[in-house]
Amino acid sequence: AQSVTQLGSHVSVSEGALVLLRCNYSSSVPPYLFWYVQYPNQGLQLLLKYTTGATLVKGINGFEAEFKKSETSFHLTKPSAHMSDAAEYFCAVSPTYGGATNKLIFGTGTLLAVQP
Amino acid sequence: DSGVTQTPKHLITATGQRVTLRCSPRSGDLSVYWYQQSLDQGLQFLIHYYNGEERAKGNILERFSAQQFPDLHSELNLSSLELGDSALYFCASSVASGGAADTQYFGPGTRLTVL
Repeated sequence: AQSVTQLGSHVSVSEGALVLLRCNYSSSVPPYLFWYVQYPNQGLQLLLKYTTGATLVKGINGFEAEFKKSETSFHLTKPSAHMSDAAEYFCAVSPTYGGATNKLIFGTGTLLAVQP
Repeated sequence: DSGVTQTPKHLITATGQRVTLRCSPRSGDLSVYWYQQSLDQGLQFLIHYYNGEERAKGNILERFSAQQFPDLHSELNLSSLELGDSALYFCASSVASGGAADTQYFGPGTRLTVL
């Protein structure tokens, strides 16, 4: 069964510092990979996704993630944190086989705090 | 704004009761997914409908049921409610039922509180 592990339930960075949120997946076949962001009292918003092709994926708000098959990882980065980046971030996978459903399997989330 | 609407935003009810959550997908989307977000279980997939037909079930209790109507809106019915059912329920929609381009867009959620 596919699963997602997010290392670090809480990450704190200073404004302007590098943001690195870790995500590892478990799957016999490389799945589709996603990062979603959830701001307080709001729904989930897609930051970026990897399906096929270029392994470095650029998303919204200056975020990017790199798919590394050898490491089964899909870490999220942003060169310079902004106060508005404070939110909870979820890594998710979706199976690439079958096609009958595109259900998402989420990690436990990482709460990002940005200190002034 | 994702284009997915959910009503109501908040729902407070008592144990043993039954509630219905409603979701309207984005215009043109045929798939609707339901997810539950709780403190102890995290974000979990419940069920997926595509063009009126059930496609997949996840960790959905037998007390819960869903359907998708001809106009593509969906309802999630929760019955014999227990305290542990208190959670945020999200609906998401996508154009198709799978594939690389099939991104899910999430609604703002319905917060259910069972007292």
